[in-house]
Amino acid sequence: GENVEQHPSTLSVQEGDSAVIKCTYSDSASNYFPWYKQELGKRPQLIIDIRSNVGEKKDQRIAVTLNKTAKHFSLHITETQPEDSAVYFCAALNSGNTPLVFGKGTRLSVIA
Amino acid sequence: KAGVTQTPRYLIKTRGQQVTLSCSPISGHRSVSWYQQTPGQGLQFLFEYFSETQRNKGNFPGRFSGRQFSNSRSEMNVSTLELGDSALYLCASSGTGQGPYEQYFGPGTRLTVT
Repeated sequence: GENVEQHPSTLSVQEGDSAVIKCTYSDSASNYFPWYKQELGKRPQLIIDIRSNVGEKKDQRIAVTLNKTAKHFSLHITETQPEDSAVYFCAALNSGNTPLVFGKGTRLSVIA
Repeated sequence: KAGVTQTPRYLIKTRGQQVTLSCSPISGHRSVSWYQQTPGQGLQFLFEYFSETQRNKGNFPGRFSGRQFSNSRSEMNVSTLELGDSALYLCASSGTGQGPYEQYFGPGTRLTVT
């Protein structure tokens, strides 16, 4: 089955700097890659996703890139702000009715 | 549309007891997935129901079970509770089943086993 590795497990950046979180997946048939943000005590919220027919997707300060050949995808946050501090989870799914598989999460701290 | 809701939000049980958690998906969503979240282990998949049928199952013991009703509401049950079952249990709903599709999470049920 699918296996998703996520790095780093913790990340501290200065406010205004960029943050990058990377994930690798094992199932070459996976075709959907969402990213979730979970603030302390709250539910995971979908912040951006990408499908395998697209190499990059942007939404304001966040972007996700996908390299199907290398089987890895990354989340990029630019101009980080204290409210970006949270745990971020990547996930992968093969649309053939298999479950969404999550990475173990990255705790991002943005230092003002 | 109303979001995914879960009840109860908090629960304290003792070892050996059983517990039932409930999840109401977003209106129109037919798939409900359940996850266990513990510190350091991320989100571990329990099972997924679609149109009242279990479609996928994770690597959890048979003490963990679930079901889905005709209105897509889902319940999960844990029997013979163990201390290690203490966790945040999250459910997520998604749409038509024509994947890939976005999953939306409920607020979770925090279960404490003493």
